[in-house]
Amino acid sequence: EVHLVQSGVEVKKPGATVKISCKVSGYTFIDYYIHWVQQAPGKGLEWMGLVDPEDGEIIYAEKFQGRVTMTADRSTDTAYMELSSLRSEDTAVYYCATDHVGDAFDIWGQGTMVTVSS
Amino acid sequence: QSALTQPRSVSGSPGQSVTISCTGTSSDVGGYDYVSWYQQHPGKAPRFMISDVNKRPSGVPDRFSGSKSGNTASLTISGLQAEDEADYYCCSYAGSYTWVFGGGTKLTVL
Repeated sequence: EVHLVQSGVEVKKPGATVKISCKVSGYTFIDYYIHWVQQAPGKGLEWMGLVDPEDGEIIYAEKFQGRVTMTADRSTDTAYMELSSLRSEDTAVYYCATDHVGDAFDIWGQGTMVTVSS
Repeated sequence: QSALTQPRSVSGSPGQSVTISCTGTSSDVGGYDYVSWYQQHPGKAPRFMISDVNKRPSGVPDRFSGSKSGNTASLTISGLQAEDEADYYCCSYAGSYTWVFGGGTKLTVL
């Protein structure tokens, strides 16, 4: 069975950097992209970008360009999303998801809550 | 990329049908048959419901169906049940390996 297990709650100060992990099991890590999705409190889902675990290629949504870094570690089947220069608006739940069906996100992690507060 | 447009809320009584619309542009919804839908209950991760406009994965009841016409996609839920009450999000491929979500629709089962 496919599982995506994310790291735990984070509390950061404005200007700091957060790095969230997403450990994959139940399938071959390099076969499918890992996507990251942001959901601010009471708000909708926003696609942040993807990483191809096979070659590390990344695509970022314009909104997050310059502040986000997505990576994949093939030795541990784990994807990472790092967001820098944090501000209060980055307070959100961050999800990783994979796309076994091609162009949809069929398996999701449980989400990681990030709170940015002074 | 602008978010796809969904109604903020819809409602229906048990047993009835409801349809949630999702309007984009020719650069996303209208340009590709890669529209997907997700159900999200409070405090939970989204659940994948529909891919490729109208394909249901195993485990999703056939009461859920998808369609598309031009730049607007739709999710129809027939035979509404109490457990269908949730937020629903559409998502479309937008070219160049990017995706865009809708703003979400809150479904209330009366």
